[in-house]
Amino acid sequence: AQTVTQSQPEMSVQEAETVTLSCTYDTSENNYYLFWYKQPPSRQMILVIRQEAYKQQNATENRFSVNFQKAAKSFSLKISDSQLGDTAMYFCAFRRTQKRSGDKLTFGTGTRLAVRP
Amino acid sequence: ETGVTQSPTHLIKTRGQQVTLRCSSQSGHNTVSWYQQALGQGPQFIFQYYREEENGRGNFPPRFSGLQFPNYSSELNVNALELDDSALYLCASSPGTSRSQETQYFGPGTRLLVL
Repeated sequence: AQTVTQSQPEMSVQEAETVTLSCTYDTSENNYYLFWYKQPPSRQMILVIRQEAYKQQNATENRFSVNFQKAAKSFSLKISDSQLGDTAMYFCAFRRTQKRSGDKLTFGTGTRLAVRP
Repeated sequence: ETGVTQSPTHLIKTRGQQVTLRCSSQSGHNTVSWYQQALGQGPQFIFQYYREEENGRGNFPPRFSGLQFPNYSSELNVNALELDDSALYLCASSPGTSRSQETQYFGPGTRLLVL
């Protein structure tokens, strides 16, 4: 079974600064997907960024980038130039690539990020 | 392009009752997954439907059941409600292929409170 661990329950960052959220996971699979989702107070889970395990290059989406360390099973999210709208709960999630018992997402427990003005 | 929608947004039930939650998938998506998110926790996978058939189930009892319709919308039914069923229920849709369902896109959720 896969597990996803987010060891930082809460983080705080000054507006315009950079913050890094940590995520580690455990799996015996070689091919898989990793995701960061953002859940603001509105509750809707919004995809932030996605990484395919077979790609060595770290994914980037505007101000969001990841540091994917496959051997260490680590997948951190870096948010640059933090904005007030980035305040939300952030979830790291894992999904196998093989269609087996459903392509479920396995989530971590989340990191609550507060951006201070 | 219409995103994933869920109804109702909030619901209050009493213990022992039954509830039906509804989800309309994003246009072009044939796969729907349901998740339960307890307060302060990450979402937990309930089950997934692909082209009207159940395609995997998480560790939830049989009183959690589902359905997917020809238009790929879906229902989650919970019988004999228990207090611990109080949670945010999230529906997610994905494009779905024969090999992989790719990225899942979530709806706004239904907040269920069981008294």
